[in-house]
Formats: sequence, structure tokens, C-alpha cells
Amino acid sequence: NAGVMQNPRHLVRRRGQEARLRCSPMKGHSHVYWYRQLPEEGLKFMVYLQKENIIDESGMPKERFSAEFPKEGPSILRIQQVVRGDSAAYFCASSPMAGNYGYTFGSGTRLTVV
Amino acid sequence: KNEVEQSPQNLTAQEGEFITINCSYSVGISALHWLQQHPGGGIVSLFMLSSGKKKHGRLIATINIQEKHSSLHITASHPRDSAVYICAVEGGGADGLTFGKGTHLIIQP
Repeated sequence: NAGVMQNPRHLVRRRGQEARLRCSPMKGHSHVYWYRQLPEEGLKFMVYLQKENIIDESGMPKERFSAEFPKEGPSILRIQQVVRGDSAAYFCASSPMAGNYGYTFGSGTRLTVV
Repeated sequence: KNEVEQSPQNLTAQEGEFITINCSYSVGISALHWLQQHPGGGIVSLFMLSSGKKKHGRLIATINIQEKHSSLHITASHPRDSAVYICAVEGGGADGLTFGKGTHLIIQP
């Protein structure tokens, strides 16, 4: 029973390239949350998705960032035209339902923009 | 918007000492989480609390809903407990979790 799987673990992109981060939730979990951890800062909420729906994207930058959670396959966080300030650890967490059911976190993707 | 404050920010202690990390928040919540993160590592959920006290091995977490305050205690601390401990709250009108900045704990042998 695998936990939350994130890949890649480490991703290096040049400025202007696209970054695609993947998250496969725990089996039976249909709620996915993405969080960003900037260097020397705390974790910040980015987006909350259920299958085929974005529920809350209030923490996502308005430009260049998008997220999806298709009916089949992993959730994808996409960053277009990356800049140095996008360098961070991106964590995904999943839960079986909304509200007080606990979260399981992935190991994160460390994005470095050079 | 909930504000989550943790103290201390950094803590260095000797092996065997009793450790306390504090967390306070500003708005009513539905649950509070304590998380552990090792350097360069993933995040592990230690506790989810909505009232009272929970214990797991050498770790104890308490919450006082009226005072909007929680504590994480580690008894008989060990160097392998060295990590960042993060308090996070759920509810209060927001989706997902709102996090404190973490407490960097170092246990010296």
C-alpha cells in the first residue's frame, strides 16, 4: 500500500523552461493538496483539487502556475517559464475526504531553477 | 486568515532532556496537526488533534481549544529526534492546512 508518490524527487530547470511535478495520492484518496516551501520559509498552501475539479486555487500565483487532477493518472502541478524565485520544495498531500480525516504527505519535489 | 505562531524557533538540547514546543493560533480551528520534517526529507504526520491529549511512544501532544494553544512534548530525547517540527491548523475558513514556520530541534549526544 504505497503512500503518496511524488516525482521527480529533484528537478533542475533553466530559466524559461517548463516544470511538471507529479503526485499520485494514496490509494482511496481523492483529495489532493499542493504546498510550496520556499528556502528558509514555512509551507504555504497552493491549491486543493478533487478528481477533475479545482476546489480552491487561492494560493496559486495568478500567472505561469496551473494544476490538474484528471480522472485517470496523477495530479500535475505545472510551472511555465520558470524563474529563479520558483526554486523551492513542492509537497503534495492527500486525504480520503475533506475535513479532519488526516493527511498523508509525499516526499516532495525539490525544484532548482538555474 | 489564521496566524500560526511557534516557539521556540530553534532549540538545542542534550540527549535525555524533556522537550516542549509550543504553538498558538488566532482563529478557531477544526483540527491541529504536528508534523516532522528531517533535513532534505519528506514530511511525516505525527498527530492530529481536535481536543485533549494524544501520546505515541515518547511523543505527547496536547491542545487547549479555549486558549488556542497546543504543545508537543518529547520525553527522553534522542539525537534521532533532531528535525524540524511543524504545527499546522485546519479549518477556520481555509482549505488545506495553515502552517507555522517550524521549530528546528537539535539533540546533542
